[in-house]
Amino acid sequence: QLRLQESGPGLVKPSEPLSLTCTVSGDSITNSAYYWGWIRQTPGNGLEWIGTIYYTGTTYYSPSLRTRATISVDTSKNHFSLMLNSATAADTAIYYCARAPRGEGLISDYWGQGALVTVSS
Amino acid sequence: ETVLTQSPGTLSLSPGERATLSCRASETVSSRYLAWYQQKPGQAPRLLMYRASNRATGIPDRFSGSGSGTDFTLTISRLEPEDFAVYFCQQYSSSPTFGRGTKVEIK
Repeated sequence: QLRLQESGPGLVKPSEPLSLTCTVSGDSITNSAYYWGWIRQTPGNGLEWIGTIYYTGTTYYSPSLRTRATISVDTSKNHFSLMLNSATAADTAIYYCARAPRGEGLISDYWGQGALVTVSS
Repeated sequence: ETVLTQSPGTLSLSPGERATLSCRASETVSSRYLAWYQQKPGQAPRLLMYRASNRATGIPDRFSGSGSGTDFTLTISRLEPEDFAVYFCQQYSSSPTFGRGTKVEIK
């Protein structure tokens, strides 16, 4: 059974990088049928797509976060990661990792449980 | 970016009633690249529909989607107790964006 699990610090200081990892179990991240992505959710801004990666390393980013976000994949560990530079309070959110079926586009058909990240000094 | 406006903000209905949720886009959503998600408190969103009218795996047929262009609708034919939740639409014909959600609550 597929499982996606987010991990990383729950508290980040302003101006520091926010870093999260999503570990995939129950499937290989190199499965050619899927992309893997990050979405965040805040009470103020709702759901926001951050970006998506294919196991080959091809990435797609939200225009609003492209300059600060980096998504990478480690096929040997079956996980992918998000780094968001220069975090601010506005980056406080629940961060979800999710799977996206390659044939359909950037929808998310399977989600992790989410990880709350707070940006505060 | 394509802005999605969902209405109403809250829908108060009784079990067994029909729910009709609207999602309007600021630009044409090409190829009907419009998805719907359900979210319950403390849980991640769950994919319900994609390509406007295709049910995702395991979604019961009381859920249906329709629409094209800029106007889309999610219909729940007869509300079951487990259907009371928040529903989001998402377009993916351009850089993905989400609506702010419609809460379906028990009347």
